[in-house]
Parts: sequence; structure tokens; C-alpha cells
Amino acid sequence: NAGVTQTPKFQVLKTGQSMTLQCAQDMNHEYMSWYRQDPGMGLRLIHYSVGAGITDQGEVPNGYNVSRSTTEDFPLRLLSAAPSQTSVYFCASSYSRGLAAYNEQFFGPGTRLTVL
Amino acid sequence: GQQVMQIPQYQHVQEGEDFTTYCNSSTTLSNIQWYKQRPGGHPVFLIQLVKSGEVKKQKRLTFQFGEAKKNSSLHITATQTTDVGTYFCAGLMDHAGKSTFGDGTTLTVKP
Repeated sequence: NAGVTQTPKFQVLKTGQSMTLQCAQDMNHEYMSWYRQDPGMGLRLIHYSVGAGITDQGEVPNGYNVSRSTTEDFPLRLLSAAPSQTSVYFCASSYSRGLAAYNEQFFGPGTRLTVL
Repeated sequence: GQQVMQIPQYQHVQEGEDFTTYCNSSTTLSNIQWYKQRPGGHPVFLIQLVKSGEVKKQKRLTFQFGEAKKNSSLHITATQTTDVGTYFCAGLMDHAGKSTFGDGTTLTVKP
């Protein structure tokens, strides 16, 4: 199993550009989430999904959109990139028995995004 | 909002010394998870604690969950250079449905 994969590994954008960060998992996990990690800070939840067709906002959702059309994929869209969105983005998945946070989360390798 | 506070932010130790990081919540937690992130890497799950007063050990690592389920600690005995990284706790508040991560404790070990 590949686990959780993310593409691209690195990305540089100009202010105002849009892009999609890809995330896929092959563990048949129902729960998937997106976090951003800024220097010296922990992981802040952007959006999460408890299953295909269901998404919800986390702590810092502004400027980001998500959708979950399949169990495997959970893309994160930046609508109009801003320098404040420069960060490392991690996707994670978890087996769900109801409340997904009861189970360990498997993280992808991350995407390092710079917005100029 | 709901917060999980983690201290210290940084810890520098000599190889062989012990290390402890603490995680505190103002509200009762349903569970707490601990993750380790190596420099340049991604968080990797270490353990989950669920019961009040629970203590779990993994070799040189000891994890505790407080009696009131509002705090937790990770203790490493006799640190090694392979222990370097950032240790995060993630607490699930009752009825929250999703965990909140602490800001992490970054451990450096001098050989």
C-alpha cells in the first residue's frame, strides 16, 4: 500500500493564482483531513471529511475549498493564493468508527507551498 | 476556541538525559494522541490514551493521561540522537468530533 500520497511536493505561486493540492489514500479510510503547519506552530485543521460527499470546516478554512467525490481522494483548492497561505500542507486519513478522531491519523509527506 | 497547550516549546538535552513534554487542556478530553515529526518529515502516530490515569510504555517512552483527563505527558528516558524531532499531542474534546493539536515540543539531542 502507498498509504497517503500528496502532490506536488513543492509549489511556488504568485499572489492571486489558484491551484489544487492533491491527496489520495489507498487504505479505504473514511476520514480525511487537511492541515497547515507554519514554523513553530502545530497543525491547524483546514477542512475535513467523514466520508464521500461530506465535508466540514476546521479551524482555518478561509481561502480554501474542498470536495470529496470518492473515498480515495480529497483535493484542497486555493482559490486566490495569498502570501499568508505560505505553509506546509499535510493531508491525513483515518479509519472511522464514527468519530474519526478516535483513531490514529496517517499523514502524507506534505506539500511545501510558497506564495510570492 | 478550544485549545491544547503544550510545553515546553523547545528542549535541548545532552544525550543520555531524560526529556518530558506536557500537554494541558482546559476541558476534559475523550482521548489524547501523541505524534512524532522528524525534521523535514511528516507526523507519525506514536500512541493513544483513553482512560483516566492511563500509563503506557514503549521502550524508553512513557505516556501518561491525567486522572481528570485534562493533561498528558510524554517522558523519554536516556535520550538518544534518534529521538530528535517535534512531539505533538492531539486532544479530542468531548463532543468535538475532531482533535486539536498542541504546538509541539521540539527536542534536540547533543551527542
